[in-house]
Amino acid sequence: GDSVTQMEGPVTLSEEAFLTINCTYTATGYPSLFWYVQYPGEGLQLLLKATKADDKGSNKGFEATYRKETTSFHLEKGSVQVSDSAVYFCALAELNTGFQKLVFGTGTRLLVSP
Amino acid sequence: EAGVTQSPTHLIKTRGQQATLRCSPISGHTSVYWYQQALGLGLQFLLWYDEGEERNRGNFPPRFSGRQFPNYSSELNVNALELEDSALYLCASTRGEQPQHFGDGTRLSIL
Repeated sequence: GDSVTQMEGPVTLSEEAFLTINCTYTATGYPSLFWYVQYPGEGLQLLLKATKADDKGSNKGFEATYRKETTSFHLEKGSVQVSDSAVYFCALAELNTGFQKLVFGTGTRLLVSP
Repeated sequence: EAGVTQSPTHLIKTRGQQATLRCSPISGHTSVYWYQQALGLGLQFLLWYDEGEERNRGNFPPRFSGRQFPNYSSELNVNALELEDSALYLCASTRGEQPQHFGDGTRLSIL
């Protein structure tokens, strides 16, 4: 079945450092790819998405590019802030089949210090 | 626009009891998905409701069930609670090919 693999955390960075969180996937079809973020005590918020190969999703300074040749969707941000501290989940879903079950990675905790 | 709302925020039960969790989708959304986020197990798909019908379920026993009402809100029922049912239960709503939007979850604790 479909699966998502994320880098283990926690990732610890100083404010204004560059962030990369790696995500690779295995899928039989042509999934859409997502990054969700979970702040403490909250649910998941959609951070960005990409629906086809070479699409770049971006939001709040975060970016990720759908790379079909490497089956990857790595999350990047040029300069992190303390407020970016959260758990980040990479996920995939087949949006065009009606059944949108999200398959998640294990999550990567990001800790940003001042 | 109001987001997905879930109630209650926290629920404490004992083994063998039954729990009912509620979800109100974003206005205009007709599909509701339920996920379980248990410690050490990550986020797992539980159930999908669309247009009032259960359309698919994940690898969970039948004591996990639910329904969707005509106003598209949904209930998740968990019968004969076990200790390992302790988790954060997340509801998400969507329509068509839009991404899912999540509520803040119900934390279910089994004593």
